[in-house]
Amino acid sequence: NAGVTQTPKFQVLKTGQSMTLQCAQDMNHEYMSWYRQDPGMGLRLIHYSVGAGITDQGEVPNGYNVSRSTTEDFPLRLLSAAPSQTSVYFCASRGVQELNSPLHFGNGTRLTVT
Amino acid sequence: DAKTTQPNSMESNEEEPVHLPCNHSTISGTDYIHWYRQLPSQGPEYVIHGLTSNVNNRMASLAIAEDRKSSTLILHRATLRDAAVYYCILRITSYGKLTFGQGTILTVHP
Repeated sequence: NAGVTQTPKFQVLKTGQSMTLQCAQDMNHEYMSWYRQDPGMGLRLIHYSVGAGITDQGEVPNGYNVSRSTTEDFPLRLLSAAPSQTSVYFCASRGVQELNSPLHFGNGTRLTVT
Repeated sequence: DAKTTQPNSMESNEEEPVHLPCNHSTISGTDYIHWYRQLPSQGPEYVIHGLTSNVNNRMASLAIAEDRKSSTLILHRATLRDAAVYYCILRITSYGKLTFGQGTILTVHP
């Protein structure tokens, strides 16, 4: 089972460049989300989606865009990268039929912005 | 959201039981207690969750105090693979928004 797949695993960008972090899940989960993890800050929610065509902001949405055109994919776009966006990014998904169904996480994308 | 308090770090020896505590004195009556762990260089993974009764699964046990103001994650026989950061989390909203604290870094010695 693939679960949640994130690509790329590592990325280095220069300030001002744009890129898209990819996230795909094969579990037919309605809910998908993006977190960033910084030392001493825990995981913080960036954006989330409860189904195709529906997205909403989390705690730290500035500088990031998302869209959800299919159930399987939830890409995260950085339009103009800044050094403050250097972080490890995690995508997660879950089904919504049961409130306490677990979140499934990908293995992360480590992004460095110079 | 209700807050959780965990020790910053704990140590254990391989094959011994580990009890990871979590305080959540402001928990509400409908908050579930969830535990996740994060192995080095990996995303968090679900461990267990419960509401009032103690819970067991293949990974761990969750002991919940009668007043629900604290809980303990129990690893019955620690292995080196259990070395990770363990997060105690309350209240997964209907949209699955988890608020992660700092967690407990568990070190397992051979």
